[in-house]
Amino acid sequence: DAGVIQSPRHEVTEMGQEVTLRCKPISGHNSLFWYRQTMMRGLELLIYFNNNVPIDDSGMPEDRFSAKMPNASFSTLKIQPSEPRDSAVYFCASSPQGEGIYEQFFGPGTRLTVL
Amino acid sequence: RKEVEQDPGPFNVPEGATVAFNCTYSNSASQSFFWYRQDCRKEPKLLMSVYSSGNEDGRFTAQLNRASQYISLLIRDSKLSDSATYLCVVNPRGSSASKIIFGSGTRLSIRP
Repeated sequence: DAGVIQSPRHEVTEMGQEVTLRCKPISGHNSLFWYRQTMMRGLELLIYFNNNVPIDDSGMPEDRFSAKMPNASFSTLKIQPSEPRDSAVYFCASSPQGEGIYEQFFGPGTRLTVL
Repeated sequence: RKEVEQDPGPFNVPEGATVAFNCTYSNSASQSFFWYRQDCRKEPKLLMSVYSSGNEDGRFTAQLNRASQYISLLIRDSKLSDSATYLCVVNPRGSSASKIIFGSGTRLSIRP
């Protein structure tokens, strides 16, 4: 199994530009999570989906952030317009759904730098 | 108060030593607990789940104290490869399809 795939692995952009991060979850996993990690705030959950439906987006910092999951094998996180304070590592994770199955499998992350 | 709190460390111990760290959580109704490990510039990975009766996996022992709302991780005979950040994780609802809360992590450095 290829694991969770994220792209790009690194992104450097200028303030005001649109940024799109992509995630392919592990095949068969029903839940998908987007996290952001910074030194100051640690690992924060931004949004998660169950069966492609957004369940909790209370962690999305503001309207500049949006996430979609058009099908079971693909999700995007978009920042428009980007700001320097958005610089962080963004992780996507997936998990099989069901009682007794708890592990979340993380992708390698996208390291975003906004200048 | 943070939902999950950890001592950020760093813990700097010699190879072969035993090291332990705790994590406290605020939601007394929390259902499931875990330790994840994150290596520098890598993604978090599950180290072990934490059960009420305590559980052991080789050199690693995890314990849960519901009355005091903390979990602990003990590493015996530490190896250089144990150097990493250890993240305490709490699942308030006990289902994989729900939000889990990560602590900010405890950094461990093992010296030769």
